[in-house]
Amino acid sequence: EAGVAQSPRYKIIEKRQSVAFWCNPISGHATLYWYQQILGQGPKLLIQFQNNGVVDDSQLPKDRFSAERLKGVDSTLKIQPAKLEDSAVYLCASSLGSLAGVTDTQYFGPGTRLTVL
Amino acid sequence: QQQVKQSPQSLIVQKGGISIINCAYENTAFDYFPWYQQFPGKGPALLIAIRPDVSEKKEGRFTISFNKSAKQFSLHIMDSQPGDSATYFCAAKRAGSARQLTFGSGTQLTVLP
Repeated sequence: EAGVAQSPRYKIIEKRQSVAFWCNPISGHATLYWYQQILGQGPKLLIQFQNNGVVDDSQLPKDRFSAERLKGVDSTLKIQPAKLEDSAVYLCASSLGSLAGVTDTQYFGPGTRLTVL
Repeated sequence: QQQVKQSPQSLIVQKGGISIINCAYENTAFDYFPWYQQFPGKGPALLIAIRPDVSEKKEGRFTISFNKSAKQFSLHIMDSQPGDSATYFCAAKRAGSARQLTFGSGTQLTVLP
């Protein structure tokens, strides 16, 4: 079974530039998550999708971050304009969703390491 | 607001020793407690998980101990091996429709050969 795919794996940009990350979840997974993991910290949820609808984006800095999940499959996360403090690993995860019950497992991709100079 | 506190931040253990990582939570709405293992350059992967209606769960060399009254849980790695060297995150999932994970800050485990 293929895992969660993410690209690019690494990205270096100047502050105030824009950047986009792509995620392809495990086939059949209804729920997709984007996390921000700052060095030395645990992942922090940015946005959660159920199919192509947003379940929670309360921690997404909406003035600069946006995300979409077209057709309930792939997703993109965009930052525009980037700030120095956005330097982090951006992780995408997917899970079966509510049908799996309380033990619904999130499977993570390898992440995109973003460096903002 | 940090809802899951994890300690220690780093841990060095000799091969064959026992590694113990502790977590404490505040929100009594949490009803599922997984541990994730993360190797450098990889995403976190589920290692073992427990529900609060049991006090212990064991899978091979990995055991979770859960103390509901104290709102604490811990991961024990028996016979630690150099291949166990990774960062370990405890997490908690709250009941409700969204069922999101809240992660601890992580423990970097180094097992010396």
